[in-house]
Amino acid sequence: DRVMTQSPDTLSVSPGERVTLSCRASQSVDTNLAWYQQKPGQAPRLLVYDASTRATGIPARFSGSGSGTEFTLTISTLQSEDCAVYYCQQYNNWPRTFGQGTKVEIK
Amino acid sequence: QVQLQQWGAGLVKPSETLSLTCAVYGGTFSGYYWSWIRQSPGKGLEWIGEINQSRTTNYNPSLRSRVTIFEDMSKNQFSLRLTSVTAADTAVYYCARGSNYLSSFDYWGQGTLVAVSS
Repeated sequence: DRVMTQSPDTLSVSPGERVTLSCRASQSVDTNLAWYQQKPGQAPRLLVYDASTRATGIPARFSGSGSGTEFTLTISTLQSEDCAVYYCQQYNNWPRTFGQGTKVEIK
Repeated sequence: QVQLQQWGAGLVKPSETLSLTCAVYGGTFSGYYWSWIRQSPGKGLEWIGEINQSRTTNYNPSLRSRVTIFEDMSKNQFSLRLTSVTAADTAVYYCARGSNYLSSFDYWGQGTLVAVSS
């Protein structure tokens, strides 16, 4: 299985700051990598797919980059509604696997 | 607007079978890959398996011996069956859509909490 490791586990950030989340794959997943946002009591919401393409309706402050084994999700200017847990997920190989998540909190 | 609506028993006894169904509204069923994913505090998000329009299935090897995913295209529905459940199968279960065989999950069901307990 491709093991996905995210860092950090938790991030405490002030509104308006730039946020960078990392995701590492145990073996290359090419650019077959997605990012999701999950708020309490809700299903995950797709933010970015193919490593860098924003999903429909996702604000431009969210951007993804990377390929192979190293990936980044950036929130350019954190807003209060961005408090959530963020997951990366690879779909290059079966079984599909997710990272353990990074929790973003407002400082 | 595509919507996935899921339902099934929220409490299952140990050693019995967990059954969930997901209905697709507002979009076509054929041409997509339909997955089940679960989330538990101990194991995070875990992909269970998928089915496509050709009725081809892929399962997570960790669950393959106990999982069946099947579809009823006439009703735009697909279902999950997980046998011989234990407390470790307690989780929120989601259905989700993938656009093709190399695809993220763009639409998700609302989630169903399934507890395994006697």
